[in-house]
Amino acid sequence: AQSVAQPEDQVNVAEGNPLTVKCTYSVSGNPYLFWYVQYPNRGLQFLLKYITGDNLVKGSYGFEAEFNKSQTSFHLKKPSALVSDSALYFCAVRAGSSGNTPLVFGKGTRLSVIA
Amino acid sequence: DGGITQSPKYLFRKEGQNVTLSCEQNLNHDAMYWYRQDPGQGLRLIYYSQIVNDFQKGDIAEGYSVSREKKESFPLTVTSAQKNPTAFYLCASCPGTLNGELFFGEGSRLTVL
Repeated sequence: AQSVAQPEDQVNVAEGNPLTVKCTYSVSGNPYLFWYVQYPNRGLQFLLKYITGDNLVKGSYGFEAEFNKSQTSFHLKKPSALVSDSALYFCAVRAGSSGNTPLVFGKGTRLSVIA
Repeated sequence: DGGITQSPKYLFRKEGQNVTLSCEQNLNHDAMYWYRQDPGQGLRLIYYSQIVNDFQKGDIAEGYSVSREKKESFPLTVTSAQKNPTAFYLCASCPGTLNGELFFGEGSRLTVL
């Protein structure tokens, strides 16, 4: 079964420093991977997704993610963190080989950017 | 604007009562989903529907029911059989391509008193 793991419950980073939020995945077949952000009491907002062939994916709000097939990882990165980046981040993988199958989510990582 | 509308935003229920959460989308998406979010547990799939008049159970379907009579609508009923219904409920839809992302509503927070 498809699954994702986010090994860190919490990541703290100083404003202006680079940030990384980690995600590893387990899939059978091609991986379809996604990152979302959630602000308090809001729905999830899409940040970026992995498309086959592009190991560095650029997304919204200056975020990017690096796909590493050998390490089965899809870490979220940003070169310079902002206080407004503080939120809950979710990694997800498509559960099957059909476009309508659900996404399986990790447990989330809370990012705190300190001024 | 196109999007997903969930209502109500906040809902309080007494034990033993059923409650229905509304989810409407105008994105013309075939697939719709309900997830439950609890602190520290991420999102867990309750039910999903890939096409009108059809739906499948997710990982935690017990105590919930859904219907999909129209493409635009996918209401979720939280029944009295659900042992711990207090949670944040999220509805989503998808355009149906393999790399297509889910589009989420703003969520409904249910509290059982």
